[in-house]
Amino acid sequence: QKEVEQNSGPLSVPEGAIASLNCTYSDRGSQSFFWYRQYSGKSPELIMFIYSNGDKEDGRFTAQLNKASQYVSLLIRDSQPSDSATYLCAVIGGLHGGYGQNFVFGPGTRLSVLP
Amino acid sequence: GAGVSQSPRYKVAKRGQDVALRCDPISGHVSLFWYQQALGQGPEFLTYFQNEAQLDKSGLPSDRFFAERPEGSVSTLKIQRTQQEDSAVYLCASSLTGTGISYEQYFGPGTRLTVT
Repeated sequence: QKEVEQNSGPLSVPEGAIASLNCTYSDRGSQSFFWYRQYSGKSPELIMFIYSNGDKEDGRFTAQLNKASQYVSLLIRDSQPSDSATYLCAVIGGLHGGYGQNFVFGPGTRLSVLP
Repeated sequence: GAGVSQSPRYKVAKRGQDVALRCDPISGHVSLFWYQQALGQGPEFLTYFQNEAQLDKSGLPSDRFFAERPEGSVSTLKIQRTQQEDSAVYLCASSLTGTGISYEQYFGPGTRLTVT
């Protein structure tokens, strides 16, 4: 069973600080990594995806991938109260097995940005 | 509309009833996924369609669950003889591509199913 793990939180940061969200995965063959944001009672919305080792920046968001350590993170700079939500890490595994086994979500980390 | 739509948004069913949940994906999207999300958990995969073909149904929890996408667009998830453990939010997602690693999925608002 391929696993994706996240600290459930809540992670509390003051407004304007950097929020760091972490995700580890078990399948070394994993190829694609996604971060979704989910507000309470709403559906997940895609924030970023990353395929290659290193950093990828988009506005206030930076995704970091380290395949050797099987670790992916999301940094949110200048955190705002509107960033308060659950952040879901999703991982697509190697191109073997069924699609269901290949696309796995973590349990999510709740982020609270305090004004 | 530009996004994925689902109906109904809320459904209350008595134990033993059959329910049908509808998903209308983004126009032109090849791939369609169904997920089940329990409170406080991430979405769990149920089934996947590429156009009208159901390529993976390994996540369906029992033979009471059935999904179809007959014309490669709208999909229906049917649950027969609902049980209390079926209570969850059912999410539908669509993706433009059918193969490869760029599974950028876009989610609908979900259907919250409560079985009493």
